[in-house]
Amino acid sequence: DQQVKQNSPSLSVQEGRISILNCDYTNSMFDYFLWYKKYPAEGPTFLISISSIKDKNEDGRFTVFLNKSAKHLSLHIVPSQPGDSAVYFCAASFTGGGNKLTFGTGTQLKVEL
Amino acid sequence: ETGVTQTPRHLVMGMTNKKSLKCEQHLGHNAMYWYKQSAKKPLELMFVYSLEERVENNSVPSRFSPECPNSSHLFLHLHTLQPEDSALYLCASSPSAGISNYGYTFGSGTRLTVV
Repeated sequence: DQQVKQNSPSLSVQEGRISILNCDYTNSMFDYFLWYKKYPAEGPTFLISISSIKDKNEDGRFTVFLNKSAKHLSLHIVPSQPGDSAVYFCAASFTGGGNKLTFGTGTQLKVEL
Repeated sequence: ETGVTQTPRHLVMGMTNKKSLKCEQHLGHNAMYWYKQSAKKPLELMFVYSLEERVENNSVPSRFSPECPNSSHLFLHLHTLQPEDSALYLCASSPSAGISNYGYTFGSGTRLTVV
């Protein structure tokens, strides 16, 4: 049973436009959510996170939105750049669960010129 | 060296071989993790170590044997693996294993192929 789901395996966007990556979760105990980015032949790197007490967190071109009632979060990248082409993983954890992250399967983002 | 370093980057082994994966972190973190990434599957947590003590074994077969001699080093000893164990093995570290909200710092991974 996958508790964190990324239903779009791939996404293609033109440079300068907005990229929206989606993530759904089923475990209502999750209260902290993270996005990681992974380039080929490298490990995932932390991008941005959000606590369940917030519904939005922004860091430069990256914004994460959390809709707790829908158990849904999204990552917006504006404007998208070719260097953003990578696999994006959504991850979640919960207070009292230790620092154990549950990951989604990832979405391959391709930003085209 | 900074961050989390994993060696080797690639490994091909036969089903009767014994090999080890090595991970070293230079961040002063107290927790280390092994994750497995198979094709089209989410990253799966295998083991968690906190201050050299194993705090989680996520139903991993005994052919995978972790070792954490100190808070900076983590090994994954492999023996009599199966072809379905072929995957990317990722090591990660974090400041603490007991508190959520700390993200991980990942190594680059070891791409393992079992033939």
